[in-house]
Amino acid sequence: QITLKESGPTLVKPTQTLTLTCTFSGFSLSTSQVGVGWIRQPPGEALEWLALIYWDDDRRFSPSLKSRLTITKDASKNQVVLTMTNMDPVDTATYYCAHSGGGNSFFDYWGQGTLVTVSS
Amino acid sequence: DIQMTQSPSSVSASVGDRVTITCRASRGISSWLAWYQQKPGKAPKVLIYAASNLQSGVPSRFSGSGSGTDFTLTISSLQPEDFATYYCQQANSFPWTFGQGTNVDVK
Repeated sequence: QITLKESGPTLVKPTQTLTLTCTFSGFSLSTSQVGVGWIRQPPGEALEWLALIYWDDDRRFSPSLKSRLTITKDASKNQVVLTMTNMDPVDTATYYCAHSGGGNSFFDYWGQGTLVTVSS
Repeated sequence: DIQMTQSPSSVSASVGDRVTITCRASRGISSWLAWYQQKPGKAPKVLIYAASNLQSGVPSRFSGSGSGTDFTLTISSLQPEDFATYYCQQANSFPWTFGQGTNVDVK
């Protein structure tokens, strides 16, 4: 079955760079039409789509965050890495990675999420 | 960006009630819309995709309709496990965007 799990620091300081890793199983990011995305959710707030990387290395970003985001994949390790530079307290959120497959335009499998707090 | 506006923001209902949530897109998105359910402390779960297709394993009391700019999620008979927050998400164009959520709580 498909599973995803986010890992990374729980606390980062303002101006630091956040690096999150999504480790997945049950699918291959070398398979056509498969993508892995990142979504975040500040405490008590709505979901915010951040970025998506596809099997063919096509990458899409939220325009408001594009200058701060990088997304890469290592299909052999079954991992996707998201980096976000210049972290600010407003970036405090639960960060989720999720699977989108078969050319679908939605996320059918999600990781459990990881809470990242930005504070000095 | 396409803005997604849900209404209401919150609804109080009882078990057995019919609940309807609306999602409006700032411009036409054809049928590129999904609905998610999220419970506290948990990841979202997709209920409906392509506006009206029920995701595998989702109870048939959930249904979706609409196209273009106006969409609806209906729960035909609310069950205790349905108290949660619901989000719509458009995928007509990047960036994919979510609505602000609708909280369904106990009346």
